[in-house]
Amino acid sequence: KAGVTQTPRYLIKTRGQQVTLSCSPISGHRSVSWYQQTPGQGLQFLFEYFSETQRNKGNFPGRFSGRQFSNSRSEMNVSTLELGDSALYLCASSLIDSLNTEAFFGQGTRLTVV
Amino acid sequence: GENVEQHPSTLSVQEGDSAVIKCTYSDSASNYFPWYKQELGKRPQLIIDIRSNVGEKKDQRIAVTLNKTAKHFSLHITETQPEDSAVYFCAAPGGGADGLTFGKGTHLIIQP
Repeated sequence: KAGVTQTPRYLIKTRGQQVTLSCSPISGHRSVSWYQQTPGQGLQFLFEYFSETQRNKGNFPGRFSGRQFSNSRSEMNVSTLELGDSALYLCASSLIDSLNTEAFFGQGTRLTVV
Repeated sequence: GENVEQHPSTLSVQEGDSAVIKCTYSDSASNYFPWYKQELGKRPQLIIDIRSNVGEKKDQRIAVTLNKTAKHFSLHITETQPEDSAVYFCAAPGGGADGLTFGKGTHLIIQP
């Protein structure tokens, strides 16, 4: 069974631009969560989607948004990029939800904002 | 929302010794407590989890204990080996719509 796939693996963007990251969950998994990982803040929850609906949302500004498609694939978008958005963005898929069952993480997308 | 505190931030032990990492949480309604291991440059992977209806769970050299009254849970690794070197994260489900809240991580270093 294929694991969680994130694309692209690396991105370099300029301040003010926007970016879209993609996540393909494990086949059969309906929940996709997104996290921002930085050395100072660790793993911070962004949002979780289940059956195309946002179920949970972390404490991030509205510049961070996401969506989930009918095949459970998910995208997250960051608009008006700031230097502080440089981080590793991880997505994780779960069979039903990450609050009660194992979350399987992708390799992440390393975003650098210059 | 949920607040998860994890200690220590760095732990260095001699190979063969035991390592203990502790976490506290704030939301008494939390009922699922996973531990993830992240090796350098790799994705986090679940190593063990515990639910609130049990006090301890073991899987070979790894064990997790949970004290719901005190709201803390701990990861125990016995007979540590070089491949145990990694960053370990504890987590607890956030209250309301907070999702899974992670501790800041513990960098475990196994000294030969």
